[in-house]
Amino acid sequence: RKEVEQDPGPFNVPEGATVAFNCTYSNSASQSFFWYRQDCRKEPKLLMSVYSSGNEDGRFTAQLNRASQYISLLIRDSKLSDSATYLCVVKIPNTGKLIFGQGTTLQVKP
Amino acid sequence: NAGVTQTPKFQVLKTGQSMTLQCAQDMNHEYMSWYRQDPGMGLRLIHYSVGAGITDQGEVPNGYNVSRSTTEDFPLRLLSAAPSQTSVYFCASSYSTQDKAFFGQGTRLTVV
Repeated sequence: RKEVEQDPGPFNVPEGATVAFNCTYSNSASQSFFWYRQDCRKEPKLLMSVYSSGNEDGRFTAQLNRASQYISLLIRDSKLSDSATYLCVVKIPNTGKLIFGQGTTLQVKP
Repeated sequence: NAGVTQTPKFQVLKTGQSMTLQCAQDMNHEYMSWYRQDPGMGLRLIHYSVGAGITDQGEVPNGYNVSRSTTEDFPLRLLSAAPSQTSVYFCASSYSTQDKAFFGQGTRLTVV
């Protein structure tokens, strides 16, 4: 079993749609969780950290369920510019090591 | 506003050649790491460091060496390049074990 698992997609949605990505992780000691965005052939860039209480940043909402070891990202009112690969990332305690999911590809169509 | 700087951006090597991928950060981050990204595989950890003088292996360390003589620099060495090392390499750094990571722009390496 991979340490961090994501549905690779692709998710093809029309502009304005709401889309949700899910991610599961296996290391129950993990304490830090992130969603990164990666555009084609570019470096990953932080989209948002994920907190236990859930957090929102504009059209983006992230949720964490520690009991189920499950992380989600919700994008509302999708824009063409949201087209990218979204990486679920878990940080291993005391090491700074990042474990990446395979990434979920989103394509927003006009 | 340099952040994490990787050089070179592109490199072509012949099988058996050696080279060093450079990574430098100016944010006084203790934690630095190297990843490779291959199609359909996601980013995989090669080596990481929790501070100057301390390094450890990640998921795919074979064929790569690292050292961390200063806080700022974390070079990745390929001693004898192989076609299987054709990939995109990213260096990352973070302030603490729980903090977000910043990435360099990547090095696209082709081994022929």
